[in-house]
Amino acid sequence: EADIYQTPRYLVIGTGKKITLECSQTMGHDKMYWYQQDPGMELHLIHYSYGVNSTEKGDLSSESTVSRIRTEHFPLTLESARPSHTSQYLCASSEGKDTQYFGPGTRLTVL
Amino acid sequence: KNQVEQSPQSLIILEGKNCTLQCNYTVSPFSNLRWYKQDTGRGPVSLTIMTFSENTKSNGRYTATLDADTKQSSLHITASQLSDSASYICVVSDRGSTLGRLYFGRGTQLTVWP
Repeated sequence: EADIYQTPRYLVIGTGKKITLECSQTMGHDKMYWYQQDPGMELHLIHYSYGVNSTEKGDLSSESTVSRIRTEHFPLTLESARPSHTSQYLCASSEGKDTQYFGPGTRLTVL
Repeated sequence: KNQVEQSPQSLIILEGKNCTLQCNYTVSPFSNLRWYKQDTGRGPVSLTIMTFSENTKSNGRYTATLDADTKQSSLHITASQLSDSASYICVVSDRGSTLGRLYFGRGTQLTVWP
């Protein structure tokens, strides 16, 4: 079982709220990723990081932002949540190009 | 365009039966192909990984095959169990980027009935 954690697991909030989704891993992996997944659809990469102080946007445009101040921590922030942000957000990490290990995900619902 | 297509979209089988899931891809240049299992409300977990030179890889009751010439892979599940109910996702990696870019299929939703 991979040591990658996400909190909260479920979040229901109102429109306009600022939220931060937490992701942490204890494997010492340099690379970390955020994916967005809607029901029955494929995962879409929205952010990734090669290491501390490195953040890049993925293939799917997202209004969220990320930071990587510590190797083990890769939080995702939405400054003003909207119903269109309702989705499942999955965090992953990897060592180089090796297998990505996924966290359990955060299911976000914006009312 | 790099794509990964999976079939069937969903499948229902009885406990104890075998099944085969299909994956076709157009990703190039090809690096490796992984099959992930994703339980409802959970993150995907890697089952197998195959590189260009491998054409079969087993993990317990799961056996994956790869035909790099036709760009097809299959995942065969033997003697299915109720706990096999999940989405099975085919993921192909290219070797053209330092990130090891992953291309995800939409998954096959497998339901095993008692």
